[in-house]
Amino acid sequence: DAGVIQSPRHEVTEMGQEVTLRCKPISGHNSLFWYRQTMMRGLELLIYFNNNVPIDDSGMPEDRFSAKMPNASFSTLKIQPSEPRDSAVYFCASSLVTGASYEQYFGPGTRLTVT
Amino acid sequence: QKEVEQNSGPLSVPEGAIASLNCTYSDRGSQSFFWYRQYSGKSPELIMSIYSNGDKEDGRFTAQLNKASQYVSLLIRDSQPSDSATYLCARRSTGNQFYFGTGTSLTVIP
Repeated sequence: DAGVIQSPRHEVTEMGQEVTLRCKPISGHNSLFWYRQTMMRGLELLIYFNNNVPIDDSGMPEDRFSAKMPNASFSTLKIQPSEPRDSAVYFCASSLVTGASYEQYFGPGTRLTVT
Repeated sequence: QKEVEQNSGPLSVPEGAIASLNCTYSDRGSQSFFWYRQYSGKSPELIMSIYSNGDKEDGRFTAQLNKASQYVSLLIRDSQPSDSATYLCARRSTGNQFYFGTGTSLTVIP
């Protein structure tokens, strides 16, 4: 089975530009998570969806960040406008939450550099 | 984040030895705990999950959970150089949020 798929793997953009990160979860999984990882702050949960519905977006740093999950097989994380401090590795993870199992599986990540 | 505490290391052990990684947490309501391994430049990879007090073994890995003392540990037996990585501890809250520690860097010396 394919794992979590993310694109692009690397993104370099200039401050002020819009950035869209994409994620395809593992087929059959019902929860999707977006994380950001930096050396300073480690791995931080930004938002998570359950059955395509955003459940908790308290980790989204600012209104410049938005996320959508239009269907069970696709999600986007958008930053508009981007700033240099948004430079980080962004991970998407998916999980099949059954009440007895909550394991998350991570995608390869998107390394974002904002200059 | 202070909710999950890990010793950042680095922890160095000789090949063949037991590596012991520890994690403490502050939320007594936490129900589920996870250990991830992350190689430099790669994504976190799930190693173990543990949901109840006691030990859980999987190959060379043993996870230990003590909810009363609010700690979870990971033992790696017969450590190999390929085990050299950063190990992340995570807990799941009752609201299904996941909180990760900052990781412990492990180096296994041949």
